[in-house]
Amino acid sequence: EVHLVESGGALVQPGESLRLSCAASGFTFSGSWMHWVRQVPEKGLVWVSHIDNRGTATHYADAVRGRFTISRDNARNTLYLQMNSLRVEDTAVYYCVRDYFGVFSWGQGTLVTVSS
Amino acid sequence: EIVMTQTPLSSRVTLGQPASISCRSSESLADSNGITYLSWFHQRPGQPPRLLIYKISNRFSGVPDRFSGSGAGTDFTLEISRVEAEDVGLYYCMQAKQLTWTFGQGTKVEI
Repeated sequence: EVHLVESGGALVQPGESLRLSCAASGFTFSGSWMHWVRQVPEKGLVWVSHIDNRGTATHYADAVRGRFTISRDNARNTLYLQMNSLRVEDTAVYYCVRDYFGVFSWGQGTLVTVSS
Repeated sequence: EIVMTQTPLSSRVTLGQPASISCRSSESLADSNGITYLSWFHQRPGQPPRLLIYKISNRFSGVPDRFSGSGAGTDFTLEISRVEAEDVGLYYCMQAKQLTWTFGQGTKVEI
């Protein structure tokens, strides 16, 4: 069974940095594309970033490009999201999502709160 | 960016009765191979989204057969044949034709 566990969410001040992690198990991590999606509490879902299975290709939403970096360690079955220069509007629950040929599995999410 | 528009945004349904949600995309979701990456998710309060339907009409493992998806091109529908109490919550459609996924606004289903 696919299992994704995010961690690293916290309360931070604007301008600070945070690194999220997503530990994967139950499937061949190195064979799957991965994404980060965020959701402001009580609001809709917004795609954030994608990385291919080898970590050689990445894509970002305009709102985070240049501030966030997605990466992965296939030896550790772990996905990361490095978030720099955080803004109040980055406050959200962040989900990691496995993308396997159009079948999507979600983690439980981790809450990032950016507030002064 | 492909814009996804769901209707209705809210629906009050009766137990045992059918329910339907529509999703329209701003451009065709069929890729060059003829595959259409249109998915439906269900989200209960405090829970992550859960995949119901992928590639228009394929039910994900463990999803009850009262859920079905249909459509093509730019118009898609999620149907629940007989609503049960556990079906309340938010429903989202999502396109993955582009790597920059986009979601519908969500449809709140209440009993």
